[in-house]
Amino acid sequence: GDSVTQMEGPVTLSEEAFLTINCTYTATGYPSLFWYVQYPGEGLQLLLKATKADDKGSNKGFEATYRKETTSFHLEKGSVQVSDSAVYFCALSDHIGQFYFGTGTSLTVIP
Amino acid sequence: DAGVTQSPTHLIKTRGQHVTLRCSPISGHKSVSWYQQVLGQGPQFIFQYYEKEERGRGNFPDRFSARQFPNYSSELNVNALLLGDSALYLCASSPDTGSYGYTFGSGTRLTVV
Repeated sequence: GDSVTQMEGPVTLSEEAFLTINCTYTATGYPSLFWYVQYPGEGLQLLLKATKADDKGSNKGFEATYRKETTSFHLEKGSVQVSDSAVYFCALSDHIGQFYFGTGTSLTVIP
Repeated sequence: DAGVTQSPTHLIKTRGQHVTLRCSPISGHKSVSWYQQVLGQGPQFIFQYYEKEERGRGNFPDRFSARQFPNYSSELNVNALLLGDSALYLCASSPDTGSYGYTFGSGTRLTVV
């Protein structure tokens, strides 16, 4: 079945450091791919998405490229800020819109 | 515009009881999905409704049921609560079937004691 595997955390970075959170997926069809962010005590917020191979999703300095050949959708940001501290979830959506989430990666950015 | 609203925000129930969680989607959104998020894990799919019909069901026991009303709001019902049902229950809505992403509510934190 469809599934998502993402990099184990927690991740701790200094402010302005480069961020990569790895995500790979398994899917039988042609899924859409997403990154969601969850701040403490809140629900999930859509960070970015890509709906087909080679698409690049971007938002708030974060980027991820849909790589069909490596079945990956790694999240990157060139310079993280303290306000980026949160839990990040990689997810895929199948042909009926059912979402499969990874286990989440906790990011802490220290000043 | 109001986002996805869920009620109540927190709930404490005793084992064996029944619970009803409520969700109001974003205005104009016709699809509602429910997810269970256990602490430290990613959300797990429970149900998806589109135009008031069930379109998908996750691997949850029959104690879990849901419905969508004519105004597209939704209820999630859980019978015979177990300690393991303690979790954050998230509702999400989308204008279509969700292939372009869902907007999530802040969730209902259910604690079963």
